[in-house]
Amino acid sequence: GNSVTQMEGPVTLSEEAFLTINCTYTATGYPSLFWYVQYPGEGLQLLLKATKADDKGSNKGFEATYRKETTSFHLEKGSVQVSDSAVYFCALTDPIQGAQKLVFGQGTRLTINP
Amino acid sequence: DAGVTQSPTHLIKTRGQHVTLRCSPISGHKSVSWYQQVLGQGPQFIFQYYEKEERGRGNFPDRFSARQFPNYSSELNVNALLLGDSALYLCASSLAGYSGNTIYFGEGSWLTVV
Repeated sequence: GNSVTQMEGPVTLSEEAFLTINCTYTATGYPSLFWYVQYPGEGLQLLLKATKADDKGSNKGFEATYRKETTSFHLEKGSVQVSDSAVYFCALTDPIQGAQKLVFGQGTRLTINP
Repeated sequence: DAGVTQSPTHLIKTRGQHVTLRCSPISGHKSVSWYQQVLGQGPQFIFQYYEKEERGRGNFPDRFSARQFPNYSSELNVNALLLGDSALYLCASSLAGYSGNTIYFGEGSWLTVV
């Protein structure tokens, strides 16, 4: 089945620093790719998505580009804020047996210091 | 509009007991999925239901079961609880349950088994 490998955390940055969280995947076919964010004590929120190669997803200053040639979907933000502190999950669709299934990476905990 | 709603938000059960978790999808969404998130890991797919039929099942024992009702709400049942079942249980909904449809998550139900 499809799988996702995420950059290990935790990641600690200062406010206004540049952020990159690496995500690579293994997949058959053409999965859709997602970044979800989980704030402390909460569920998952969709941050951005891309459904085909070379698509760029963007939201709240975050961006990620679907790179089929490198099987990657790295998350970037030019200037992080304290409020971006959370756990970030890369995920892809794994349409086994016709089901709509998401496969997640292990998550990367991000802490932004003032 | 209301998002995906889950109940209860927190509960504590004893080993061997049974638990029922409930989920209401976003209005108009016909697909509901359940995920288990153990502390420090990414969510793992348990089930997907679409139009009251099970469409997919993850690698979970038969102690886990679910159903979807005519109003598209869903229940997750876990029998003979084990300590290892302690986790955040996330419900998610999507419009039509096909790969590529965006999946939206609820806040989750925190289950502690003692």
